[in-house]
Amino acid sequence: AIQLTQSPSSLSASVGDRVTITCRASQGISSALAWYQQKPGKAPKLLIYDASSLESGVPSRFSGSGSGTDFTLTISSLQPEDFATYYCQQFNSYQLTFGGGTKVEIK
Amino acid sequence: EVQLVESGGGLVQPGGSLRLSCAASGFTFSSYWMSWVRQAPGKGLEWVANIKQDGSEKYYVDSVKGRFTISRDNAKNSLYLQMNSLRAEDTAVYYCAREIAYGDVFDYWGQGTLVTVSS
Repeated sequence: AIQLTQSPSSLSASVGDRVTITCRASQGISSALAWYQQKPGKAPKLLIYDASSLESGVPSRFSGSGSGTDFTLTISSLQPEDFATYYCQQFNSYQLTFGGGTKVEIK
Repeated sequence: EVQLVESGGGLVQPGGSLRLSCAASGFTFSSYWMSWVRQAPGKGLEWVANIKQDGSEKYYVDSVKGRFTISRDNAKNSLYLQMNSLRAEDTAVYYCAREIAYGDVFDYWGQGTLVTVSS
């Protein structure tokens, strides 16, 4: 199965900060990558698909980039409601896999 | 409004069985691939299995192959996960999720149902 490694595993940031999360695949996955946000006790929410396509209703401060093995999720100006855990997910192979998650905490 | 409501979770002994259900509404259930995704307490997300619109294709994560079976009943707008030979490491919240039309990406999720495998 394709392994996804997210970094960092956690970070502390302030409201208004620019935040970047990285996801690296163990082999090339073209642009078959999605990003999710999960808050405690809640189901994940789709943010980005196809590496850079913004899901309907998701604020434009969220953006995704990358292809092949290296991907990033960027939050251009962190808002209070963005403190959560973020996961990447690949769908290049029929064995779908998620990254280990990045917890974004308040500094 | 799209809704996915899971049920059937609970406490089960190691080696036991459980059947999860997911009731779908607010969309044409028979037009979408569906998945089960789980999350162990305090851990990350793990995709478990998915099934094609007509049930003709099914895929599983290696750790559940031969033990879990995904199925669906389009007439009842329902998704199922039959879990046999349960192990402690299967303890998790199990989510039902809809896949978007053009890829194995999950655009709607249920609230989850907790499965605890313990003696």
